[in-house]
Amino acid sequence: QKEVEQDPGPLSVPEGAIVSLNCTYSNSAFQYFMWYRQYSRKGPELLMYTYSSGNKEDGRFTAQVDKSSKYISLFIRDSQPSDSATYLCAMNDRGSTLGRLYFGRGTQLTVWP
Amino acid sequence: NAGVMQNPRHLVRRRGQEARLRCSPMKGHSHVYWYRQLPEEGLKFMVYLQKENIIDESGMPKERFSAEFPKEGPSILRIQQVVRGDSAAYFCASSQPLLAGDGDTQYFGPGTRLTVL
Repeated sequence: QKEVEQDPGPLSVPEGAIVSLNCTYSNSAFQYFMWYRQYSRKGPELLMYTYSSGNKEDGRFTAQVDKSSKYISLFIRDSQPSDSATYLCAMNDRGSTLGRLYFGRGTQLTVWP
Repeated sequence: NAGVMQNPRHLVRRRGQEARLRCSPMKGHSHVYWYRQLPEEGLKFMVYLQKENIIDESGMPKERFSAEFPKEGPSILRIQQVVRGDSAAYFCASSQPLLAGDGDTQYFGPGTRLTVL
């Protein structure tokens, strides 16, 4: 079993739709959760960073963490064609594994006009 | 403030040659991480370094791969005697020390795409 599972998609939605992206994980020691956006042939760009359970909102983006279910989500409201990219979830425990991040394989999103 | 810089952006090597990938962290960042991204896969951790120290190399293949982050200059990921399976995108990330500013949030460079012929 992989430590972080993420459906690779692809996911295709019309402009203006609400997008839901999800990851599950197996290591209960994970406490820090991130979402990165990666455009084709570019480096990952940090979108959201949350600690432990709860919600965090930043503009059109909302990140949710449910540690009891080992499940994290990213919601994108009013999606735009410029949101078309691969979205990667990442997490770590900052404990025994120090700084290393564990990534999902990414979900490819296309928002069409 | 310049972001994480990597060079070269594209590197082509023949089997058996050496590949050297360079990473300059963001200004003020003293921690460097290397990740590898294979086609259709997520990023896989390779190594975590601080200046002149390897902190965690548990993701590095045991042979042919090495990394350093000298007191002066960029971090180097070195792959000796490359094979076709080494073809991938290699990303470097940098962060501040854990207790500083935004903690150990990792910021990624644009990557080096290695192709082994």
